[in-house]
Amino acid sequence: SQELEQSPQSLIVQEGKNLTINCTSSKTLYGLYWYKQKYGEGLIFLMMLQKGGEEKSHEKITAKLDEKKQQSSLHITASQPSHAGIYLCGAGGDSGGYQKVTFGIGTKLQVIP
Amino acid sequence: ETGVTQTPRHLVMGMTNKKSLKCEQHLGHNAMYWYKQSAKKPLELMFVYNFKEQTENNSVPSRFSPECPNSSHLFLHLHTLQPEDSALYLCASSHTGGVAGYTFGSGTRLTVV
Repeated sequence: SQELEQSPQSLIVQEGKNLTINCTSSKTLYGLYWYKQKYGEGLIFLMMLQKGGEEKSHEKITAKLDEKKQQSSLHITASQPSHAGIYLCGAGGDSGGYQKVTFGIGTKLQVIP
Repeated sequence: ETGVTQTPRHLVMGMTNKKSLKCEQHLGHNAMYWYKQSAKKPLELMFVYNFKEQTENNSVPSRFSPECPNSSHLFLHLHTLQPEDSALYLCASSHTGGVAGYTFGSGTRLTVV
């Protein structure tokens, strides 16, 4: 089975600082998802990457999948308190009619004003 | 509004009780999922339904009983639970096939006393 390791497990940054979260897979990634979760709530979809070297941005969040498709990074520029939450990476794809996604344990981000 | 609605948001039940969690989506998705999220663990996939048919049951104890009467509704029936079953239960839906990812509900926080 595919395992995802996220680092760091938790992060505290000052508002306005940049930060990076990493997600490393034990196997080739065919679909890599980034989700954000506020404590005790559901996951909100951020981005999905498929191709080696692919990079996507949404507002101040940029995600990249490396060329070998085994590692992804999520970068937040000029962090704000609204960025606080748990960031989870997920790997998966078509399992013959439905999608099956395996998740990392998550990175807890706190942004101090 | 995420498009996937879960009720109740919070549930406290005794070990001898019987209760049900409900999930509803009107996104036109045909696959629905139950995940369990416990502290310091990755999300655990419990059940998958594809076009109302159960396609995956990841060795979940029989005290959890899923039901999918149609592609828009998913239930998780609970009976004689254990305290270690206390967790956040998340429902998700997706299109069948492809790699578009999931839409999650806000979850039900279950506490077994």
